[in-house]
Amino acid sequence: GQNIDQPTEMTATEGAIVQINCTYQTSGFNGLFWYQQHAGEAPTFLSYNVLDGLEEKGRFSSFLSRSKGYSYLLLKELQMKDSASYLCAVRDGTGGFKTIFGAGTRLFVKA
Amino acid sequence: DAGITQSPRHKVTETGTPVTLRCHQTENHRYMYWYRQDPGHGLRLIHYSYGVKDTDKGEVSDGYSVSRSKTEDFLLTLESATSSQTSVYFCAIRGEQGNEQYFGPGTRLTVT
Repeated sequence: GQNIDQPTEMTATEGAIVQINCTYQTSGFNGLFWYQQHAGEAPTFLSYNVLDGLEEKGRFSSFLSRSKGYSYLLLKELQMKDSASYLCAVRDGTGGFKTIFGAGTRLFVKA
Repeated sequence: DAGITQSPRHKVTETGTPVTLRCHQTENHRYMYWYRQDPGHGLRLIHYSYGVKDTDKGEVSDGYSVSRSKTEDFLLTLESATSSQTSVYFCAIRGEQGNEQYFGPGTRLTVT
């Protein structure tokens, strides 16, 4: 079956570093995505990994291990505006570039 | 901004009535998607389209139909709305790079 697991909620302090983990079991794999979604808004694209390793983009980094079915999103120098849900998603390699989403991790950044 | 709009943005309807949601894009993207988002479930794919008149089912397609008569518009229809279809509906397009998706602002639908 298709399954993507990530923690439901996390809390971190402004200025700190937080790591949000994601594990997946899908029938195929053609890339892993992270999206950010603020409350009441649409998801917005953060990162894409298709090969093993770390992709860095400013304060955000995403890591992938395909053999372990594992990814993490690393947020550095946390800001209050980073309080949002973070969605892990896998493109399963079937037709239509279909993407399967996890339920999301709600991150609370406190002062 | 990928030029995606959704209408209506909010709708309250009664059980058993038909409802059509519209997704409109201005940048000639081939692939369009309809998702619903519910607490604890994340985004779930309802239907998607890979061109004019070309559509296919997603994981939660029961009770929904779609149409795409022109590139810019992708319509989602609930033939007879049920309370279980109360949700937030997002439309998305596949970006030019072919990797990420861009989402519309969403439609909050309540079925009473």
